[in-house]
Amino acid sequence: EIVLTQSPVTLSLSPGERATLSCRASQSVSSYLAWYQLKPGQAPRLLIYDASNRATGIPARFSGSGSGTDFTLTISSLEPEDFAVYYCHQRSNWPTFGQGTRLEIK
Amino acid sequence: QLQLQESGPGLLKPSETLSLTCTVSGASISSSSHFWGWIRQPPGKGLEWIGTTYYYGSAYYNAALKSRLTISLDTSKNQFSLKLSSVTAADTAVYYCARLPRVSAAPERNYFDYWGQGTLVTVSS
Repeated sequence: EIVLTQSPVTLSLSPGERATLSCRASQSVSSYLAWYQLKPGQAPRLLIYDASNRATGIPARFSGSGSGTDFTLTISSLEPEDFAVYYCHQRSNWPTFGQGTRLEIK
Repeated sequence: QLQLQESGPGLLKPSETLSLTCTVSGASISSSSHFWGWIRQPPGKGLEWIGTTYYYGSAYYNAALKSRLTISLDTSKNQFSLKLSSVTAADTAVYYCARLPRVSAAPERNYFDYWGQGTLVTVSS
């Protein structure tokens, strides 16, 4: 099983700041990594697929990078609606998810 | 507009069978371009893939759940379902259904592009 480790566990920032979230895989997943945003009571939302491709309707302030074992989700300038929990997911092998990063308002 | 909606009982007793249905609107589950899957999130924990299925083939299951799990399709109702037998408190979770675009021929090796809002299932005596 490929283990995905996300860091930090919690990230406290203010609106307008830049957010950088990390996801590290226990072995190479090539570029087969996605990022999702989860908010309570809402359907999870796909943000990024295959490491760097923005999903339909996702604002340009969200970007993804990385390959192999190290990946980053960057939110260039935080909007109030961006405060949520973010998960990475690999599809290189049997699917696994990271444990999540909670992005909270400072 | 694609929508997925989970439904089923919210409270079960240990050893019972969990049955959930995902109703899909705005897309056909018979499509050859998509797979359909289930994911769950136990309270305070991360996401866990349960299984993925599609119209033209068999379902693929998380190995840890495989012996208790069945995922099936009902094309007449445009629904797919999950049955998990012999539940315990460890199966308490929010259960999500989701669509997977067919990027890889292997059903389990795709990402989830649309999700339902999720339904909380609690297992307690």
